[in-house]
Amino acid sequence: EDKVVQSPLSLVVHEGDTVTLNCSYEVTNFRSLLWYKQEKKAPTFLFMLTSSGIEKKSGRLSSILDKKELFSILNITATQTGDSAVYLCAVEYGNKLVFGAGTILRVKS
Amino acid sequence: DTGVSQDPRHKITKRGQNVTFRCDPISEHNRLYWYRQTLGQGPEFLTYFQNEAQLEKSRLLSDRFSAERPKGSFSTLEIQRTEQGDSAMYLCASSGPGWGYTFGSGTRLTVV
Repeated sequence: EDKVVQSPLSLVVHEGDTVTLNCSYEVTNFRSLLWYKQEKKAPTFLFMLTSSGIEKKSGRLSSILDKKELFSILNITATQTGDSAVYLCAVEYGNKLVFGAGTILRVKS
Repeated sequence: DTGVSQDPRHKITKRGQNVTFRCDPISEHNRLYWYRQTLGQGPEFLTYFQNEAQLEKSRLLSDRFSAERPKGSFSTLEIQRTEQGDSAMYLCASSGPGWGYTFGSGTRLTVV
């Protein structure tokens, strides 16, 4: 059965800390891995990863994919309270996304 | 607004009633998806349209659920004879060639 597992389930850090969120997957016919941020409403797109070893960056956020070991990480440096959200990892195969349960990040001021 | 729109934002219904939700995708996107999200879980795939054709449905989707996308534009998701277990956030997403998935804000359904 195709599955996506995220860890940790939740995380509390202080502003300025660096966090690493993990996503492992077992999916046949993998096409891409996506990261989303969800704050009570629609998941908002962060990154799409298709190739191993190529880091994608957007400001304080970065992500990388390892297709051999079947995992991805999302790093957030110098965290801010506005980073508090659920971070979702999803793997695309066929015509759909399979999501993990998410990591709840809370950044304390 | 060029995003994905969903209506209504919230719906409270009594068990046994039928409900219908609407999704308006980004106009350039030919693919439309419905997902369901319960508390503490990631979104779960329900069904997928390419233009007006429904090409895939989750095997977990009860026959009380039906979706349409007439003319390949907006889509509706209907749930008949609602049950308390149907309470969830129903998310619509759209995508197109060269585009990623864009999600709407969802319709939160509460069955009482």
